[in-house]
Amino acid sequence: QKEVEQNSGPLSVPEGAIASLNCTYSDRGSQSFFWYRQYSGKSPELIMSIYSNGDKEDGRFTAQLNKASQYVSLLIRDSQPSDSATYLCAVEDSNYQLIWGAGTKLIIKP
Amino acid sequence: GAGVSQSPSNKVTEKGKDVELRCDPISGHTALYWYRQSLGQGLEFLIYFQGNSAPDKSGLPSDRFSAERTGGSVSTLTIQRTQQEDSAVYLCASSLARASGFRSYNEQFFGPGTRLTVL
Repeated sequence: QKEVEQNSGPLSVPEGAIASLNCTYSDRGSQSFFWYRQYSGKSPELIMSIYSNGDKEDGRFTAQLNKASQYVSLLIRDSQPSDSATYLCAVEDSNYQLIWGAGTKLIIKP
Repeated sequence: GAGVSQSPSNKVTEKGKDVELRCDPISGHTALYWYRQSLGQGLEFLIYFQGNSAPDKSGLPSDRFSAERTGGSVSTLTIQRTQQEDSAVYLCASSLARASGFRSYNEQFFGPGTRLTVL
């Protein structure tokens, strides 16, 4: 059974701090990894894709991938109240299908 | 360009009625996915299309659920004899679903969803 695990939260972070979201996966053959943001009552929105070990930065967001340890993380710098949402981790398996985590609820406190 | 569209945005039906939900993917996207999301829950995979064929129907919860895709574009998810437990948001996503070199172009882009309420 291929699995993607995330802490359900809620993760509460003060405004302006760094929010760190983590995800582990079971399929060693996975090559592509995605972070989605889902606001309450809305559909998931792709915010980051990462394919190689290391860090990938896009504005205030940094995705980190460590294939040896089978984890991927998302850092949000200078957290804003508008970042409050559920963050979904998705991992592509060897059949090119996305396996989804259950999501981490992030709350940014003003 | 236009994103994924779904219709209707909301559907209220009576138990036992049939419903059809429609998804229009991003132009050129060959793969189309249906998910279901109950309140406060994660995504539940239902079915996946590559072109017009459905290699993976493993997520369909019962034989009351069926889906088709015609012309490699629009897809319809049909739920027959709806039950109250079918109430959820039904999400459609599409992707290019191809690989080039070390990466795949499999980012899925979601439509706004159809909120189904079965009374």
